[in-house]
Amino acid sequence: KAGVTQTPRYLIKTRGQQVTLSCSPISGHRSVSWYQQTPGQGLQFLFEYFSETQRNKGNFPGRFSGRQFSNSRSEMNVSTLELGDSALYLCASSPLIAGGSDTQYFGPGTRLTVL
Amino acid sequence: AQSVTQLDSQVPVFEEAPVELRCNYSSSVSVYLFWYVQYPNQGLQLLLKYLSGSTLVESINGFEAEFNKSQTSFHLRKPSVHISDTAEYFCAVKETSGSRLTFGEGTQLTVNP
Repeated sequence: KAGVTQTPRYLIKTRGQQVTLSCSPISGHRSVSWYQQTPGQGLQFLFEYFSETQRNKGNFPGRFSGRQFSNSRSEMNVSTLELGDSALYLCASSPLIAGGSDTQYFGPGTRLTVL
Repeated sequence: AQSVTQLDSQVPVFEEAPVELRCNYSSSVSVYLFWYVQYPNQGLQLLLKYLSGSTLVESINGFEAEFNKSQTSFHLRKPSVHISDTAEYFCAVKETSGSRLTFGEGTQLTVNP
């Protein structure tokens, strides 16, 4: 099976712009989670989607949003970019096995640089 | 809420030496435990996981970790490291009923010749 794919891999934006990142999960996986990785804050959970519904949300401002499509592909959007939004954004998919024992498989990430 | 502490931010070792990367966690509910590895400019790869059963879990590339409930630890070990093991290693926990992974700060393992 193909792994989790994320596009684009690299992105440069300026403050105030908005950006959309895309994630295609492993075939058959229905849950998609997003994480932000920065040198200062480490890996932080953004949100999780399942069946086109946001099931869980981390502690990020409303400028960060996401959605999931019927084919399980997901996008996240960041509006009004700030310098501090520069990070590696990681997407993870899981099959969502009952009981929560499913494993999350990560994509290569999108490196966002805000100038 | 859960928290994860990786006790060493950097671990330098020589090739073929043993290594232990330490991870402690805190949680008021039952959790699953994971170790992920991240190579430069790449995403996270699952190394091994503890869900239930035997407290000693192994990966295909020689790493092992032991779940110690009384000490709330999940240390990662390898008896003999290779140059190719140089990477950053992340310990993570997840509630058994949840979906969110909580990560430690990471340990940079550097294997020197």
